[in-house]
Amino acid sequence: SAVISQKPSRDICQRGTSLTIQCQVDSQVTMMFWYRQQPGQSLTLIATANQGSEATYESGFVIDKFPISRPNLTFSTLTVSNMSPEDSSIYLCSDTTGADYGYTFGSGTRLTVV
Amino acid sequence: QKEVEQNSGPLSVPEGAIASLNCTYSDRGSQSFFWYRQYSGKSPELIMSIYSNGDKEDGRFTAQLNKASQYVSLLIRDSQPSDSATYLCAVIPSGGSYIPTFGRGTSLIVHP
Repeated sequence: SAVISQKPSRDICQRGTSLTIQCQVDSQVTMMFWYRQQPGQSLTLIATANQGSEATYESGFVIDKFPISRPNLTFSTLTVSNMSPEDSSIYLCSDTTGADYGYTFGSGTRLTVV
Repeated sequence: QKEVEQNSGPLSVPEGAIASLNCTYSDRGSQSFFWYRQYSGKSPELIMSIYSNGDKEDGRFTAQLNKASQYVSLLIRDSQPSDSATYLCAVIPSGGSYIPTFGRGTSLIVHP
């Protein structure tokens, strides 16, 4: 399975600002995914990042709030825009290079908005 | 809405015992099932996958799938304190998407 490097690992941000999270994969992958995990909750898919086309967003998530870039097959970014305390969460990127088509995850970004 | 249900726990077992974690899913056409382990403050780590009815063993871990009853379970034999974590069940639903639906996870505590 691929190794995904995700950064930053954590950040504390002021409300109204934006944070960009980066994920670098050590091999080319077709699809990358961005998840949010709030305390005590499961993983919620934000969007699927496709190389060369716009990301596909899940219900409840919009491009203006969570713009995603996928400039090539090894890299993707997620921006959390105009942050509020409700955006405090762990954000995870992943791909499908795990064994038997399971997912591999980045190490996560713990975001706190104050 | 395709759902994956897990008991949030915590499930507490003594060291050396068998831990049994269960998961049910709503989409009868689901074909792929995964178990992830997530330590506190860490990202999920894939530990088992299963596609066919029956048991699949990997070391101390056994995944069990029963599609007729729509449940999948994970058994951990000879549980160790290092197994203490949250275990997430993930199911890829029918419909052609490879995107799994995750359960909320079961917290497992293995006490010495």
